[in-house]
Amino acid sequence: EVQLLESGGDMVQPGGSLRLSCAASGFIFSNYAMSWVRQAPGKGLEWVSSISVSGGNTYYADSVKGRFTISRDNSKNTLYLQMDSLRAGDTAIYFCAKSGSSFPLWYSHHWGQGTLVTVSS
Amino acid sequence: EIVLTQSPGTLSLSPGERATLSCRASQSVTTNYLAWYQQKPGQAPRLLIYGASNRATGIPDRFSGSGSGTDFTLTISRLEPEDFAVYYCQQYGTSSLTFGPGTKVHVK
Repeated sequence: EVQLLESGGDMVQPGGSLRLSCAASGFIFSNYAMSWVRQAPGKGLEWVSSISVSGGNTYYADSVKGRFTISRDNSKNTLYLQMDSLRAGDTAIYFCAKSGSSFPLWYSHHWGQGTLVTVSS
Repeated sequence: EIVLTQSPGTLSLSPGERATLSCRASQSVTTNYLAWYQQKPGQAPRLLIYGASNRATGIPDRFSGSGSGTDFTLTISRLEPEDFAVYYCQQYGTSSLTFGPGTKVHVK
């Protein structure tokens, strides 16, 4: 069974940093691209970032480009999202999602339960 | 970036009725790379349909997807109590993935 377990969500002040992690199990992690998708309170889904199977190719939404960095450690079956220069508008539940294929810009077949990031002073 | 518009924003129906949800794209979606997700309160989204019309593993056949180009439809043939939720469409295969704003299907 595919399992994705996010961690690292917290309350942080504007301008601060946070690193999210997503521990994957139940599938061959290194065979699948991965993504982060967020959902602000009471709002819809917003794609944040995706990464290729090797980690060599990364993609970002314009809203986070230059501030967020996605990475993965295939030896640890873990996906990361480093978030810097956080803003109030980044407040959301962040979901880790497994791609339906090795292609990074793809639909997400499995999702974690999410971790809450709150940016507030 | 492809902008997706979903209609209606809210759908009020009774169990057993048919639900028809629309997703319209601002430009043609490459090779019908269009997915549908279901999300219930407090839960993660669940993939229903990919490639515009392919049901994901384990999805009941009362869910069906259709359409091409810029106009796509998710149909739930007979609503079950567990189908009342928010539904999102998503286009993929481009350099920037986008979701529609969602359609909420609630009990009439």
